[in-house]
Amino acid sequence: GENVEQHPSTLSVQEGDSAVIKCTYSDSASNYFPWYKQELGKRPQLIIDIRSNVGEKKDQRIAVTLNKTAKHFSLHITETQPEDSAVYFCAADKGSNYKLTFGKGTLLTVNP
Amino acid sequence: NAGVMQNPRHLVRRRGQEARLRCSPMKGHSHVYWYRQLPEEGLKFMVYLQKENIIDESGMPKERFSAEFPKEGPSILRIQQVVRGDSAAYFCASSPRVFPVREDTQYFGPGTRLTVL
Repeated sequence: GENVEQHPSTLSVQEGDSAVIKCTYSDSASNYFPWYKQELGKRPQLIIDIRSNVGEKKDQRIAVTLNKTAKHFSLHITETQPEDSAVYFCAADKGSNYKLTFGKGTLLTVNP
Repeated sequence: NAGVMQNPRHLVRRRGQEARLRCSPMKGHSHVYWYRQLPEEGLKFMVYLQKENIIDESGMPKERFSAEFPKEGPSILRIQQVVRGDSAAYFCASSPRVFPVREDTQYFGPGTRLTVL
């Protein structure tokens, strides 16, 4: 089945700096890649997603890039703010398989 | 739109008891997914259901766990004879997935935190 690896497991940055989280997937049939943000004790919330027919997608301070050949995708957060502090999860979906396979998460801490 | 609803938010059971977790999908969504999250880990897929049908239960333990999504009412995840290892956060998600137009996005509920004493 699909396997998603996520790095780093923890990331600490200064406010205003950029943060990058990387994920690799194993199944070349995967075609949908969402990113979720989870604050402590809260539900995972979708922050951005990308489909395999697109190489990059941006939404204000957040961007996601996808390299289908290398089977990896990355989340980029620019001008980080303390409220960006949370656990971020990447995931992959094979479409016809319907289920999301998640990475183990990255704890992002933005220091004021 | 009230979003995905789950109840109870917290559930405490003693070993051997039954746990019933409920999930009401977003309005207009007919597809429900259950995930389990152990402390400091990612979410693991358990089961995918449509109304009155189990589509994929490949992530469900073979024993003690069952799920349903009846024609009327919420989806239920049932854990019989709970053990301490069942302690986790259980999240459900819903999506429209109206064929032939696919909608992949899954929206998560607030979760049920199960503690087995």
